[in-house]
Amino acid sequence: GAVVSQHPSWVICKSGTSVKIECRSLDFQATTMFWYRQFPKQSLMLMATSNEGSKATYEQGVEKDKFLINHASLTLSTLTVTSAHPEDSSFYICSASLWTARNQPQHFGDGTRLSIL
Amino acid sequence: AQSVTQLGSHVSVSEGALVLLRCNYSSSVPPYLFWYVQYPNQGLQLLLKYTTGATLVKGINGFEAEFKKSETSFHLTKPSAHMSDAAEYFCAVRRGAGGTSYGKLTFGQGTILTVHP
Repeated sequence: GAVVSQHPSWVICKSGTSVKIECRSLDFQATTMFWYRQFPKQSLMLMATSNEGSKATYEQGVEKDKFLINHASLTLSTLTVTSAHPEDSSFYICSASLWTARNQPQHFGDGTRLSIL
Repeated sequence: AQSVTQLGSHVSVSEGALVLLRCNYSSSVPPYLFWYVQYPNQGLQLLLKYTTGATLVKGINGFEAEFKKSETSFHLTKPSAHMSDAAEYFCAVRRGAGGTSYGKLTFGQGTILTVHP
């Protein structure tokens, strides 16, 4: 149980392109999803918290106009990297929780490798 | 505020040897602690979690961890390493105390485990 699917797994595109990444909870309803960014050989950096039916909350230093998050249903959140540039190249990972209770683990997707040429 | 420190960015063991990955935390509230494993180009998989109750927690793949409040530690162990255990391991504490940080994970820097034949 508690499977999170992330799509696509790998994206290569030209600078200036907007890229959408999907995160789906397959067997549970996720009221909250989280988006992380991971640089090579580094830990995960939380970018934003996505709440179903409301606006995402972004961590300090993350550009909300650059990284658009939509959580339109209890099973789907999307991250759109707008006008992507080479510095946006990274590994993006989403996670989902049934609710935000502290004793509930987050379940992670397999990540999306984004490469901007 | 919560923080996590993983001692040793790289740990190397022989197959069949004891695995010990160290994690120390700081938390202003009773911590909820997690260990995750990440294989190359994949998301994170939950190994085990401590919330309340028994301080020795058993997880998947033969791993276990012991919560020691007096030492603010949550070290991960496995009696006998297997080649398939080679991966990166992350310790995480879930934030609490309400507000916009509630429910978010703070990760340690990660420890890469290498298993030699």
